[in-house]
Amino acid sequence: GAGVSQSPSNKVTEKGKDVELRCDPISGHTALYWYRQSLGQGLEFLIYFQGNSAPDKSGLPSDRFSAERTGGSVSTLTIQRTQQEDSAVYLCASSLEQGSGKLFFGSGTQLSVL
Amino acid sequence: AQRVTQPEKLLSVFKGAPVELKCNYSYSGSPELFWYVQYSRQRLQLLLRHISRESIKGFTADLNKGETSFHLKKPFAQEEDSAMYYCALGFTGGGNKLTFGTGTQLKVEL
Repeated sequence: GAGVSQSPSNKVTEKGKDVELRCDPISGHTALYWYRQSLGQGLEFLIYFQGNSAPDKSGLPSDRFSAERTGGSVSTLTIQRTQQEDSAVYLCASSLEQGSGKLFFGSGTQLSVL
Repeated sequence: AQRVTQPEKLLSVFKGAPVELKCNYSYSGSPELFWYVQYSRQRLQLLLRHISRESIKGFTADLNKGETSFHLKKPFAQEEDSAMYYCALGFTGGGNKLTFGTGTQLKVEL
């Protein structure tokens, strides 16, 4: 794969339903990040995985949000009991070099909660 | 706490005019600053980082610790520079966990 892959590209769901968003990072990248991009809010950090270390979950807005990274590769972001304010573009990024600031972003998942 | 402020949501300039996209940060430690760019229908990508002191696509940015600023500049804007620009702040030991500003939409008019 040439880059970070996210699926689905668009997701429309009803309020109260659970959703799962998937991210395939670039092969060999040890770090994986989830950000949320809302209108007028910029990019909001959600969670960060680095190798086998415990993830940095400091950006998750509520306990309805959780994420896993299996086998050090694919990651799934789960939002339970979705609310309208969860509507946003969810971006995944991966990186190789620690401290370089170079994140490779996916195209994002546009989540719309009706 | 870390904070990045980009005061302008939209900046419109004419082709050939100078461009300055403002970025101010708040961080008590030693900051690492970056500019990211998102062209229409493309992915967000790194444009430049302060530690490299490089010029990319004619853009430069100087870290001013006294003014806690990292403004992005280009002497002569080109149409292809039209994009969304995000300033981002990292810190030593933070991996690549970045705090982003709200972004500035640059529109270069003919």
